[in-house]
Amino acid sequence: GQQVMQIPQYQHVQEGEDFTTYCNSSTTLSNIQWYKQRPGGHPVFLIQLVKSGEVKKQKRLTFQFGEAKKNSSLHITATQTTDVGTYFCAGPGNNAGNMLTFGGGTRLMVKP
Amino acid sequence: GAGVSQSPSNKVTEKGKDVELRCDPISGHTALYWYRQSLGQGLEFLIYFQGNSAPDKSGLPSDRFSAERTGGSVSTLTIQRTQQEDSAVYLCASSPLLGGRTEAFFGQGTRLTVV
Repeated sequence: GQQVMQIPQYQHVQEGEDFTTYCNSSTTLSNIQWYKQRPGGHPVFLIQLVKSGEVKKQKRLTFQFGEAKKNSSLHITATQTTDVGTYFCAGPGNNAGNMLTFGGGTRLMVKP
Repeated sequence: GAGVSQSPSNKVTEKGKDVELRCDPISGHTALYWYRQSLGQGLEFLIYFQGNSAPDKSGLPSDRFSAERTGGSVSTLTIQRTQQEDSAVYLCASSPLLGGRTEAFFGQGTRLTVV
C-alpha cells in the first residue's frame, strides 16, 4: 500500500533560523496536504497542493509539490516560537475511497 | 455543530473495563477516520469509513477494538477489556470528499487513561 514518509522526525532550531520538513510518497499523489498540530491540540489543515511543481506561500511558510508529484516540502523562514508544533503531510490513497495517509510528522521545537 | 465533536474529552477507566468513544462528524461529510496518538508520537491510523462502503479496518491493533458508523453520521469506537497500553488520545476526523477536496477536519480528541 501507499506509504508517506517524513523527515526529519524532530528538529530543534534557534528562533530566527529557517526550518524545512520533507515528505516522500512511494506512489504518485493526486494532491498533498499539510497539517499543523500545536502541543496539546489537534491537527489543523494548512494547505493543499495539486499541480506538479506547485509552490504556495502563507506568510513565512512555503509549500512545494515535486515535479513527479511524489514529494513535497514545507519551509518556514525565520522561525518564531509560535511555529512550535508537529507538521504532518498527507496524501490520498489509491483506493476508491481516497483515504488520507499521513506521514509520521516532524516535531519542531524553537528555542527563544 | 460547526466542527467535529468528540465525547468524552477525557476518560479514565480501570484495566479490563470496556469503553466507548463517540464522534460526531461535520454534517454531510462522507469520510470518517479514527486515529490514535500516544504522547509525542504521530497519528496511528485505526479505521476509515467512506459512505456506504465497507470500512477499512486495517489499522485496528487487535480484536478488542471495533467501530461503527450509524446512518453515515455518528461513529462509536469501542475498546473492550482495556489495557494500559491503550492509553492515548483518540482523534476522529471527517472529510467532505467533494470536488477533489479531501482535507480532514479533526475533533479535539478523547484522552483515554487506563489505570
